[in-house]
Order: sequence, then structure tokens, then C-alpha cells
Amino acid sequence: NAGVTQTPKFQVLKTGQSMTLQCAQDMNHEYMSWYRQDPGMGLRLIHYSVGAGITDQGEVPNGYNVSRSTTEDFPLRLLSAAPSQTSVYFCASSYRDRANSGANVLTFGAGSRLTVL
Amino acid sequence: AQTVTQSQPEMSVQEAETVTLSCTYDTSENNYYLFWYKQPPSRQMILVIRQEAYKQQNATENRFSVNFQKAAKSFSLKISDSQLGDTAMYFCAFMKHPLDSNDYKLSFGAGTTVTVRA
Repeated sequence: NAGVTQTPKFQVLKTGQSMTLQCAQDMNHEYMSWYRQDPGMGLRLIHYSVGAGITDQGEVPNGYNVSRSTTEDFPLRLLSAAPSQTSVYFCASSYRDRANSGANVLTFGAGSRLTVL
Repeated sequence: AQTVTQSQPEMSVQEAETVTLSCTYDTSENNYYLFWYKQPPSRQMILVIRQEAYKQQNATENRFSVNFQKAAKSFSLKISDSQLGDTAMYFCAFMKHPLDSNDYKLSFGAGTTVTVRA
């Protein structure tokens, strides 16, 4: 049971380049999400998905695209990287059980540090 | 929108001593969850403790306990018998109850860096 796996762990991009941060979970979690962590600001929600084929925007979605073709995978795409997207990115997942409060705890991946020059 | 405030950017504590981290939040919701997450230098986000707003009893997990004051919108974390492995950044976070929201969004505070001295 690997939990939530993010790749790559580190990446350096030039402004305008595109890339995809990969996220995979093997826990059959319906809910998956992407956060970014910036100094002094905690983590902020970028996009989330409540199931395969369903995605929605979070707090800071501009500049990022997501898709959810399978339950296991939730990639985050940067189409044209900007220096403002330099950050640490976390993928997180959980069961989606509105009636069972104990199920709604996010499991986080190890994070991906992205630098845009 | 919910806001979470952690007013202590850094705290230092002697090994075996107790340290208390403060957290306040602003919400109009009545049902919600509160969390403390630990982020050691490895960068991994680790759940420390969770509190459900409708439960009056304060949550405890071994050496970690919270003081949840719903009316004051305060949620402090106490680390007892501090150990060197407790050195990390600690984040307070808020989540609406899933019955009231579809996004399972965690709203985080800015974090408190805790250093445990030997």
C-alpha cells in the first residue's frame, strides 16, 4: 500500500515551459486534490475532484489544469509556467463519506518542489 | 470564507517541557472539523489530531491534546513531554462538514515553527 505518490519530487522549469505533476493513489479514494504551499501562507487549494470525470476549481486555480480519467490518477498541468508558480505542490486524497466523519481525513503525498526561472 | 490565524510564527521549547500553539479561526458554520498537521523537514504532511465541532470533549492523541473553545473560535494544541522528533512546522486547518460542502477544502493557517532543544 503506497498511499499517495507524487512525481517528480523536484523540477526546474523555464518561464513558458509546460509540465505535468503526477499524482496517484492506491486506496480507492474518491476525492483527490492539489494544494500549493508558499512561505508564510500555509497550503491553498488549487483544484479538486470528487470522482472520475469530475473536477472543480479551488481557491487558486489560475494557470493550472486538471483531469480525472481514472479513480487512481489526478495529474496537475502547468501549460505555460510562470515564476509565480514556484512553490511546493501537494496532492491529497480521501474517502468521500458524508455520513462517516472518520473517513474524511486527507492523506497527503510527499510534495513536489517546482522552481520556475 | 473561512480564515485561520496562527499568531506565533516560531516557538522554542526545551526537551521534556510543554509547549502550546495557538490557533483562531473565523467561520459562520456550525458544523466543521479542525485539524493540526505536522510538517517535519522531510516536508511530509502528517495529521496530528482532529476535532469535530459538535463534540465538546477535547481530542487527545498520546502527548498531543487540544483546547477547543467553540464560542471563542479557538483551537490550541498542547505538546507535552516534548521530544526532539517534534521539531517541525505545525499547521492548524479548518474544514466544513462534508454534509455542508462538496469540496472537502482545508483552510490552513500560516504555520508555527516549533524547535525542541536538547
